[in-house]
Amino acid sequence: QSVLTQPPSASGTPGQRVTISCSGSTTNIGSNTVSWFQQLPGTAPKVVIFSDNQRPSGVPDRFSGTKSGTSASLAISGLQSEDEADYYCAAWQDSMNGVVFGGGTKLTVL
Amino acid sequence: EVQLVESGGGLVQPGGSLRLSCAASGFTFSNYWMHWVRQPPGKGLVWVSRIKTDGSITSYADSVKGRFTISRDNAKSTLYLQMNGLTAEDTAVYYCASNLVSSGSFWGQGTLVTVSS
Repeated sequence: QSVLTQPPSASGTPGQRVTISCSGSTTNIGSNTVSWFQQLPGTAPKVVIFSDNQRPSGVPDRFSGTKSGTSASLAISGLQSEDEADYYCAAWQDSMNGVVFGGGTKLTVL
Repeated sequence: EVQLVESGGGLVQPGGSLRLSCAASGFTFSNYWMHWVRQPPGKGLVWVSRIKTDGSITSYADSVKGRFTISRDNAKSTLYLQMNGLTAEDTAVYYCASNLVSSGSFWGQGTLVTVSS
């Protein structure tokens, strides 16, 4: 059971916009920033959003992040087949002195 | 080019020990907090441990506390994870990562640890 809650799956057709939610509490998302990681099949995770809504260089602006209270969302617009991957949210957990992850969302491009 | 290369994984018997290494290049290793994250087969990501830039602060997930030890050698740009008292539940791909939840997050390709008799 993950501390952060994500839907196990999401899907969309090419060109569509999809969002993935991440729900936490006041001791993680509510008081710390959120990062989002993309894990393509058979590869290591890669950050696509950090500090709630910042994109690292090289990540397309189709990827965006938002946060409100104890929840965060990752949005992918203009969906492409290469976006098919597992996506994980993460945040610092104050009471644990460590990082907590969501359970991951498998995004399928139909 | 930023690179993190893990090594040291393999098959170990229950109760055994293993030391993982993570060699960093392409960035100033000593400026970054470093983390270990693991992923059991077919499952999600789980944070394991972190260490401050100068090694003065460390923290661990409850599941590994007292059994695993994180350390670093900034002169060699290398991160370590000493794992003792291994159980089947420790079977996973282990990743090293920098600045996990802030800017400058880079990940290695992972090394597989299998605990089995």
